[in-house]
Amino acid sequence: GESVGLHLPTLSVQEGDNSIINCAYSNSASDYFIWYKQESGKGPQFIIDIRSNMDKRQGQRVTVLLNKTVKHLSLQIAATQPGDSAVYFCAEILNTGGFKTIFGAGTRLFVKA
Amino acid sequence: NAGVTQTPKFQVLKTGQSMTLQCAQDMNHEYMSWYRQDPGMGLRLIHYSVGAGITDQGEVPNGYNVSRSTTEDFPLRLLSAAPSQTSVYFCASRSGGPYEQYFGPGTRLTVT
Repeated sequence: GESVGLHLPTLSVQEGDNSIINCAYSNSASDYFIWYKQESGKGPQFIIDIRSNMDKRQGQRVTVLLNKTVKHLSLQIAATQPGDSAVYFCAEILNTGGFKTIFGAGTRLFVKA
Repeated sequence: NAGVTQTPKFQVLKTGQSMTLQCAQDMNHEYMSWYRQDPGMGLRLIHYSVGAGITDQGEVPNGYNVSRSTTEDFPLRLLSAAPSQTSVYFCASRSGGPYEQYFGPGTRLTVT
């Protein structure tokens, strides 16, 4: 079936440390993956994306890694800051008509000062 | 650009009442969608539209109707509210293709 799940529902890190948020997906037809950040009381916001023909993509303080062999996606946040505290969702976009998006359940990241 | 706007921000309904959640975007995006988010859970797709006049069902369409008469607007109608529809509702839009979605601020709906 179609599913995107996360290994860890919550993650607590010390300010300044690196954070790694993991995600497993199950659909081989997924062509594109996105990480979203959702702060309390707000809608999800795009962080970074990666296409299925890539295995790594870097942004500002964030890196996404894609391992298609084991259907695994991760988001790495360098030098985590209090403002990074939020819920992070991975999403896979199927290579089908309409490019259906499937969201994972989310991981809540707590950053301790 | 205002992006994606939603009204109202909060709403309380009694069981059996009907209402419409409004969503508008000013980015000329073709694709719009409605999601619901229950506590501690991810987003579930209710309905979506790939352009004016075209709508389709998502994962959890029962109890909801949509229409898309213009590119900008995509209202979600609750026909007869039930407590199970208590949730936060997000509207999102994107341009054509497998790109990121832009989300509105959400509507928190409580059905008593």
